[in-house]
Amino acid sequence: QSVLTQPPSVSGAPGQRVTISCTGSSSNIGAGYDVHWYQQLPGTAPKLLIYGNSNRPSGVPDRFSGSKSGTSASLAITGLQAEDEADYYCQSYDSSLSALFGGGTKLTVL
Amino acid sequence: EVQLVESGGGLVQPGGSLRLSCAASGFTVSSNYMSWVRQAPGKGLEWVSVIYSGGSTYYADSVKGRFTISRHNSKNTLYLQMNSLRAEDTAVYYCARVMVRGLSSRWFDPWGQGTLVTVSS
Repeated sequence: QSVLTQPPSVSGAPGQRVTISCTGSSSNIGAGYDVHWYQQLPGTAPKLLIYGNSNRPSGVPDRFSGSKSGTSASLAITGLQAEDEADYYCQSYDSSLSALFGGGTKLTVL
Repeated sequence: EVQLVESGGGLVQPGGSLRLSCAASGFTVSSNYMSWVRQAPGKGLEWVSVIYSGGSTYYADSVKGRFTISRHNSKNTLYLQMNSLRAEDTAVYYCARVMVRGLSSRWFDPWGQGTLVTVSS
């Protein structure tokens, strides 16, 4: 049972927009800790997608965006492409400085 | 290029020990926070341990007292010594550099390719 809650799965057709939520509590996201997102393609290691709630590392397309409000955060993907099919994880911290991960969301491109 | 390469995984019996290595290139391990994160088969990511640049170490409750994180500065390598292994420790183990911004923002980048540890008789 992950401390950060994500939907197990989301889906969308090519070209559509999908969002993935990440819900925490006043002990983690709500306490002011930033949220970060990772993309894990099948059979590969996780890759940083968004850091500091809404920042994209070099090389990540601007179709990916992140936001944070209160005790939750969201990852939005616009112009959905087949290559976006992957597992997505949110990550934050708590006051004990233990890293926290969401349970992961499987994105299916229909 | 910043890169991490893990090694040392394999099959071990319950109660046994294993040491994982993570060789870094393109940056200095001892100047950074470094972590291990694991992923059980078909499951999500679980943080395991961190070592700060100053040498302090921290562990998830699930491995505390059994696992030890360390580094070899001249080899620019991170280690994870795993003792008293249990079936539930079976996972792919990733090493990752911890990026830090202020007191409230830490993230993992880059990640190694992972090494599989299987605990089974």
